[in-house]
Amino acid sequence: SQTIHQWPATLVQPVGSPLSLECTVEGTSNPNLYWYRQAAGRGLQLLFYSVGIGQISSEVPQNLSASRPQDRQFILSSKKLLLSDSGFYLCAWINLRGGLTPTSDTQYFGPGTRLTVL
Amino acid sequence: DAKTTQPPSMDCAEGRAANLPCNHSTISGNEYVYWYRQIHSQGPQYIIHGLKNNETNEMASLIITEDRKSSTLILPHATLRDTAVYYCIVRVARETSGSRLTFGEGTQLTVNP
Repeated sequence: SQTIHQWPATLVQPVGSPLSLECTVEGTSNPNLYWYRQAAGRGLQLLFYSVGIGQISSEVPQNLSASRPQDRQFILSSKKLLLSDSGFYLCAWINLRGGLTPTSDTQYFGPGTRLTVL
Repeated sequence: DAKTTQPPSMDCAEGRAANLPCNHSTISGNEYVYWYRQIHSQGPQYIIHGLKNNETNEMASLIITEDRKSSTLILPHATLRDTAVYYCIVRVARETSGSRLTFGEGTQLTVNP
């Protein structure tokens, strides 16, 4: 079975400090991977997605960046955090083995990382 | 992807059916209706999806009107653990977009004892 891990679970960082959040998927290969952010009491906002190693698409201009160094690893980074970066960060994947269909197009989310920037 | 409209909140008594509505009047013929939910402080969880026929799985039933302009997610016997924000999403999978999801504000369902 497939599982998705995120760490750390919670993080408190000062403004201006760097950030690195990691997401790892097990039990599948060549997944699409996604980073979302959810501010308190709000819906999810897509930040980045990746369809393969080294392929990153950015949805929103910001001081965050993403990388995919391995097939099942997705990293979210920042060189200098802002107060507005606080939120709940979620990683998700879809299994496109067999192609993209309405059934395979189901996203599975990780447990999330709650980031507080002070 | 078509826009959806959901009530911001609903209440349901434990053990009763919870019926969550969603309007998607601009839905196009190849767009599917997906439902996810998010329990507080957890990642969203896929529930069900459908095109035009009613669908049922172990979690819920999805009723889509004949004109496909609205749908209802039914939790037949709601429990306290079903308290969550429920998102209705209308979309068609697109390779070029990486098949990303767009979540709106959803409906906060509160199941009361």
